[in-house]
Amino acid sequence: EAQVTQNPRYLITVTGKKLTVTCSQNMNHEYMSWYRQDPGLGLRQIYYSMNVEVTDKGDVPEGYKVSRKEKRNFPLILESPSPNQTSLYFCASRHERRPYEQYFGPGTRLTVT
Amino acid sequence: GEDVEQSLFLSVREGDSSVINCTYTDSSSTYLYWYKQEPGAGLQLLTYIFSNMDMKQDQRLTVLLNKKDKHLSLRIADTQTGDSAIYFCAEESRGGYQKVTFGTGTKLQVIP
Repeated sequence: EAQVTQNPRYLITVTGKKLTVTCSQNMNHEYMSWYRQDPGLGLRQIYYSMNVEVTDKGDVPEGYKVSRKEKRNFPLILESPSPNQTSLYFCASRHERRPYEQYFGPGTRLTVT
Repeated sequence: GEDVEQSLFLSVREGDSSVINCTYTDSSSTYLYWYKQEPGAGLQLLTYIFSNMDMKQDQRLTVLLNKKDKHLSLRIADTQTGDSAIYFCAEESRGGYQKVTFGTGTKLQVIP
């Protein structure tokens, strides 16, 4: 079954404590992306990756890092989380040449106090 | 930067057609997408249209694209209560999967 998994699904943390949200896909997709969803703002792209070791900034990359060392994994790293990073985060993957073959993870709800 | 706009809310009666509208600013879009998000769930790709197409039909869904006016619409025929959800349009910029810009989402309420 085609799947994008994220962990954890829920996280409450304190300002400044480094955290990583993992994302993994089992479809051998080249493209992966991270989004955050905030009320009234829709989804905004944080970072995307077009293949292993190829990443680039989306619209709201400040305060986030990513890495793509393996094709299946695309972790999102918050080195020093702040309350304005409280949000719902989604990871997504997509086939390079088949835009209809794309999937989103179930989401990670992050609260930074 | 790119901007994608949608109305926030739409209410229809079960069995009627729903039309959700979207406007965008990026004239170099390659693909335009419609997604559905049910409460507490991730996004599900409903349909997409390539930027050189005017219309695409897929069962109850019809997508219309007016490139001149940068207007995208999603028509759901015979709307059912299971169609109640938030619908997002999104555009993908030319050159591959470089940037994807989402609208703010339209909440569709289907009244039985």
